[in-house]
Amino acid sequence: DAGVTQSPTHLIKTRGQQVTLRCSPKSGHDTVSWYQQALGQGPQFIFQYYEEEERQRGNFPDRFSGHQFPNYSSELNVNALLLGDSALYLCASSQLFLGRLETQYFGPGTRLLVL
Amino acid sequence: DAKTTQPTSMDCAEGRAANLPCNHSTISGNEYVYWYRQIHSQGPQYIIHGLKNNETNEMASLIITEDRKSSTLILPHATLRDTAVYYCIVYNQGGKLIFGQGTELSVKP
Repeated sequence: DAGVTQSPTHLIKTRGQQVTLRCSPKSGHDTVSWYQQALGQGPQFIFQYYEEEERQRGNFPDRFSGHQFPNYSSELNVNALLLGDSALYLCASSQLFLGRLETQYFGPGTRLLVL
Repeated sequence: DAKTTQPTSMDCAEGRAANLPCNHSTISGNEYVYWYRQIHSQGPQYIIHGLKNNETNEMASLIITEDRKSSTLILPHATLRDTAVYYCIVYNQGGKLIFGQGTELSVKP
């Protein structure tokens, strides 16, 4: 089992550009959550996808959007990049069972630098 | 806001047990205590979780007080590779994990 995988590992963009980050969940998992981690801070929840729908959303602007595919993989899109979007973007996968979301397992992250 | 309080940093000698405390005085009956750790610039790694009873796995032990207002993560024989930030999280299995600042554990030779 490969665990949660993310691509790319590193990315450099300039202000105003758009970026797409990708995540493949652990085998058997059906739910994907995205988190943003600024330097020196704990991860902050962006949103979560289940059955190709956004299930929950944190306090992030509409510039942050996502998608989940039928194979449960997911994308995070960020439009009109700001310098403050520079961070480690983490994907976590889990399984929804009887309405409860079981343990979330994280991928290695994508380091985004906005210049 | 995170519902947990942890010391900012701790040191531990290699080979000794590392005991990481966490206070969660406002925990609700259906909320679990989860522990993750994050080694520099990597994704958080799941360690262990529990509801009421003490738990043990191959990585660590989790001791939860009877009133559930605090817990301790125990790494029985700390190694240099256990140097990381350790996050204690109260989680109702509803969706999002709320991370605090965590405890920066330094294991020293």
